[in-house]
Amino acid sequence: DAKTTQPTSMDCAEGRAANLPCNHSTISGNEYVYWYRQIHSQGPQYIIHGLKNNETNEMASLIITEDRKSSTLILPHATLRDTAVYYCIVRAQMTTDSWGKFQFGAGTQVVVTP
Amino acid sequence: GAVVSQHPSRVICKSGTSVKIECRSLDFQATTMFWYRQFPKQSLMLMATSNEGSKATYEQGVEKDKFLINHASLTLSTLTVTSAHPEDSSFYICSARLDRGIFGQGTRLTVV
Repeated sequence: DAKTTQPTSMDCAEGRAANLPCNHSTISGNEYVYWYRQIHSQGPQYIIHGLKNNETNEMASLIITEDRKSSTLILPHATLRDTAVYYCIVRAQMTTDSWGKFQFGAGTQVVVTP
Repeated sequence: GAVVSQHPSRVICKSGTSVKIECRSLDFQATTMFWYRQFPKQSLMLMATSNEGSKATYEQGVEKDKFLINHASLTLSTLTVTSAHPEDSSFYICSARLDRGIFGQGTRLTVV
């Protein structure tokens, strides 16, 4: 699976949008972009994923560039509870029922401040 | 929605004893589950892939005789840390394979 590059840390003001970048320049055509977050001492929480189209759900928006070499996770109105480590992962789908592994990098430590 | 439940959430054991961690998929069947380990201030490291009805596949450097994995049903996988030592103290997390990957809440193992 392709590797990802994320900033080590980011600060964000409460109530403002948080834009988290991720580079995945070696991504393959069958690889999806996933975002998870991990709050201290908890298991990772799924946020969103996409292949090439932009995606939005109740938690966040995912913007994927046209060449798919990078993406941005947008938390529209950050709250103090959004403080966590955010992981960007690319993961291949080989067949309908066969998926690649989740390989976690270092992620981005996001701190939301009042 | 789909949930993965781990038990126990915390366990303290004496050095040399064995500890079993359960991972259950609630409301869905999981033919494949993954086990991860996370040391303080580090990222998750994949340990092994657990397959229902067959042997687990271990990542390079993970001792299969020390970390026994059993996936006896479509909703339960167990990880047994055998002859635990203080260096095995870590946060163990399982996940079940769906298109979006559902993770358990983790198990904090402390070996004293």
